[in-house]
Amino acid sequence: EVQLLESGGGLVQPGGSLRLSCAASGFSFSSYAMTWVRQAPGKGLEWVSCIRGSGLGTYYADSVKGRFTISRDNSKSTLYLQMSSLRAEDTAIYYCAKGQTTGSHWGQGTLVTVSS
Amino acid sequence: QSALTQPPSASGSPGQSVTISCTGTSSDVGAYNYVSWYQQYPGKAPKLMIYEVSKRPSGVPDRFSASKSGNTASLTVSGLQAEDEADYYCSSYTGSDNLLFGGGTKLTVL
Repeated sequence: EVQLLESGGGLVQPGGSLRLSCAASGFSFSSYAMTWVRQAPGKGLEWVSCIRGSGLGTYYADSVKGRFTISRDNSKSTLYLQMSSLRAEDTAIYYCAKGQTTGSHWGQGTLVTVSS
Repeated sequence: QSALTQPPSASGSPGQSVTISCTGTSSDVGAYNYVSWYQQYPGKAPKLMIYEVSKRPSGVPDRFSASKSGNTASLTVSGLQAEDEADYYCSSYTGSDNLLFGGGTKLTVL
């Protein structure tokens, strides 16, 4: 059974940094691209970033480019999202999802709140 | 890029059929057969219902079907049941290795 478990969310001040993790199990992690999607409170889904299975190939939404860095450790079956220069508009639930063109499985999400 | 366009709401009575549209452009929905549909209950993570325009993952009832014509994709829920009441989102690959989501449609079962 595919399982994705996000962690690392919390309250951070504007301009601060946070690193999210997504622990994966139940599939060959290194064989799949992985994606981060976020959802602001009461809003729709927004694609954030994607990384190829090998880690060689990372892609970002314009809204986070230059501030967020996606990475993965295939030896630990874990996906990361390093977020810096955080803004109030980055407040959202962050989900990791398996796949690139389709999110076949999703984690339960981790809430990031950017506020002073 | 702007979000794909979905109606904010849709509704139907139990047993009826309802169709939700998802309109994009020739650069996303119209260009690729990588349209997906997700179901999301309040406070829960999205669940994949349809991928690659019209394919259903294992375990998704065949009451859910989908198609695409030009720049518009559609999700049809037949034989509506109370448990189908949820938010539905479409997504499309856009090239440039990114995804675009629709704004979401709240489906109400009357």
